[in-house]
Amino acid sequence: EVQLVESGGGLVKPGGSLTLSCAASGFTLNNVWINWVRQAPGKGLEWVGRIKSKSDGGTTDHAAPVKGRFTVSRDDSKNTLFLQMNSLKTEDAAVYYCTTKTLWGQGTLVTVSS
Amino acid sequence: QAVVTQEPSLTVSPGGTVTLTCASSTGAVTSAHYAYWFQQKPGQAPRTLIYETTNKHSWAPARFSGSLLGGKAALTLSGAQPEDEADYYCLLSYSGARVFGGGTKLTVL
Repeated sequence: EVQLVESGGGLVKPGGSLTLSCAASGFTLNNVWINWVRQAPGKGLEWVGRIKSKSDGGTTDHAAPVKGRFTVSRDDSKNTLFLQMNSLKTEDAAVYYCTTKTLWGQGTLVTVSS
Repeated sequence: QAVVTQEPSLTVSPGGTVTLTCASSTGAVTSAHYAYWFQQKPGQAPRTLIYETTNKHSWAPARFSGSLLGGKAALTLSGAQPEDEADYYCLLSYSGARVFGGGTKLTVL
């Protein structure tokens, strides 16, 4: 079955760090462009960042609010996408989704609170 | 950063037709923005309806279609059904970034 499964969410204090994972099955992750998208409680969708396919250079882009704090990366041997989040702020609290062109995971919840 | 604008809310009668639009603060939306449309129902993850302006995902009913209309990306629903009541988001691509619209809450009533 083709699917994406996120994990790694939880409660973290402001200023803390957390790494989210997105495991792909049924397809090879480095053949596609894949994004992280977040949704704060009761709010709309916000693009966080992406990594291009290996054939397109595998480069990353990040949204302005997270640039310098968050890093999108990929481990091809594990067919897994990561989102390293540092210097977390209360406004980073959200459900985080990984998504390809047509496939979404179920999301993982990040709570930032002291 | 570009701002992407959608109608905050729309209402359509069952069996009716409605068009949701997606505008860019940088000017006309073109095929180079690779517009996406997503549907999200309460408590669920979003799912892709339309990708790259006009391509429909395999799950999407035939009553949904994507296009460019008057300088905007558009999602047209022809023959609305009660199950189409949901939030709809568009996404546009820019150099080095992607930006979501604020979403349209569609009511079928």
